[in-house]
Amino acid sequence: QVQLQESGPELVKPSETLSLTCTVSNGSIGGYYWSWIRQPPGKGLEWIGYIDYSGSTNYNFPLTSRVTISLDMSKSQFSLRLTSVTAADTAVYYCARHGDLIYYYMDVWGKGTTVTVSS
Amino acid sequence: DIQLTQSPSFLSASLRDRVIITCRASRGIGNYLAWYQQKPGKAPKLLIYAASTLQSGVPSRFSGSGSGTEFTLTISSLQPEDFATYYCQQLNSYPLTFGGGTKVDI
Repeated sequence: QVQLQESGPELVKPSETLSLTCTVSNGSIGGYYWSWIRQPPGKGLEWIGYIDYSGSTNYNFPLTSRVTISLDMSKSQFSLRLTSVTAADTAVYYCARHGDLIYYYMDVWGKGTTVTVSS
Repeated sequence: DIQLTQSPSFLSASLRDRVIITCRASRGIGNYLAWYQQKPGKAPKLLIYAASTLQSGVPSRFSGSGSGTEFTLTISSLQPEDFATYYCQQLNSYPLTFGGGTKVDI
C-alpha cells in the first residue's frame, strides 16, 4: 500500500530555513491532497498546510508568511519550506495524504521526522 | 478558526472498560470530523472519518457518533493495545484543526 517517508535535516539553526521532503511510494501522487502536520515535543498536532494535485496550496494563517509547500510529480514528492525558524519550530514533522476529496481525512501518514532548531 | 475541545484530557481506565471521549466544536462542522489514535513515538492512525465511518482495518470496538458541534468516540471494550492518545480533527473549514488530545492510560 502507499507509503510516505519524510526526509531532511534534523538540526536547523535559528533564523535559517527548514526544508523537508515527503516521498510517496507504492501509489500515485496525482488526484490527492497532501498535507504537512507538526507536533512540538509533548504537545498536540498542528496542521501546517496542504498542496493539491494541481499545485494549489492552503496554509495555516500564522505560518503563511514563512511557509511554502511544493509538489514534484515526476519524483512523487512534495516538500515543505519554512523560513526564519525559531526554537518554537522544533517539532516532529509529519506528511500525510488526504484520502478522500469529500471528507478530506488523512488516511496515510509518514513516520515523522524530528527537527530541532538550535545553534 | 474552529476550536475543538476534547474531554477529558486524561482518562484512567481498565481492560474491558467502555470508554467515551467527547469532542466539541466551536461552531457547526456537519460531520466533517475524524478521529486518530497516536501511540508514543508513532504517527497518528486514522480510526474514524465522517464522524461515524470506521476506517478499513480498524476493530469494530471503535465507533464514532455526532454531528454539528458535539461528537463522541467510543471504545466498547478497552484492549491493551488501545492505551494511547486520541485526537479529533475537523475538516469542515480551513485551517484544519485538531483537538488537544485525550490520553487513555491504565
